[in-house]
Amino acid sequence: GESVGLHLPTLSVQEGDNSIINCAYSNSASDYFIWYKQESGKGPQFIIDIRSNMDKRQGQRVTVLLNKTVKHLSLQIAATQPGDSAVYFCAENKGDSWGKLQFGAGTQVVVTP
Amino acid sequence: DTAVSQTPKYLVTQMGNDKSIKCEQNLGHDTMYWYKQDSKKFLKIMFSYNNKELIINETVPNRFSPKSPDKAHLNLHINSLELGDSAVYFCASSQVGSGGRRETQYFGPGTRLLVL
Repeated sequence: GESVGLHLPTLSVQEGDNSIINCAYSNSASDYFIWYKQESGKGPQFIIDIRSNMDKRQGQRVTVLLNKTVKHLSLQIAATQPGDSAVYFCAENKGDSWGKLQFGAGTQVVVTP
Repeated sequence: DTAVSQTPKYLVTQMGNDKSIKCEQNLGHDTMYWYKQDSKKFLKIMFSYNNKELIINETVPNRFSPKSPDKAHLNLHINSLELGDSAVYFCASSQVGSGGRRETQYFGPGTRLLVL
């Protein structure tokens, strides 16, 4: 079946470095993508989104890149801070008007001093 | 101000019991969702309601029954709890945006259910 993301890997990043979190999707009908951050014991928190008519979108310290050719999504976090330690999920919407999201498995980011 | 709230935060119960989880959102959104997150952190949608009407119903055992008394509330009742129901349950809400689509969902803090 079609899936988004990878099995939960861990990304260890030194404080101050840039982080890159990757996500693969396989449904070419998906036209909207979101990144969520989930801190321990909390619910997922919206970070940034991107539509399929764009290939890059920037927020505060975060950038999302979309490569539709290879069905790849990435989240870049600049100057990673200890507060960035969390599980990061990508999610896709397949053009469904009711907002049905399919989530990837998540990436655990650990920021080391 | 809490945008999406859930009660209880923790729920420990015996197998076979019936329990309910409540969700409320004060964002004025018209659509609410229930997700289940398993021990491997995988998030999967269960149900969605729009203005008290069920619009998404994934393959979920019929022991799970959502109820929406109004568009600000979506409760989840679970009958005959089983060990495999142990998980974190998240409520979320969204609102129609430009283009008539609901996309960005705002999540509650989760309810950690442990069935013994």
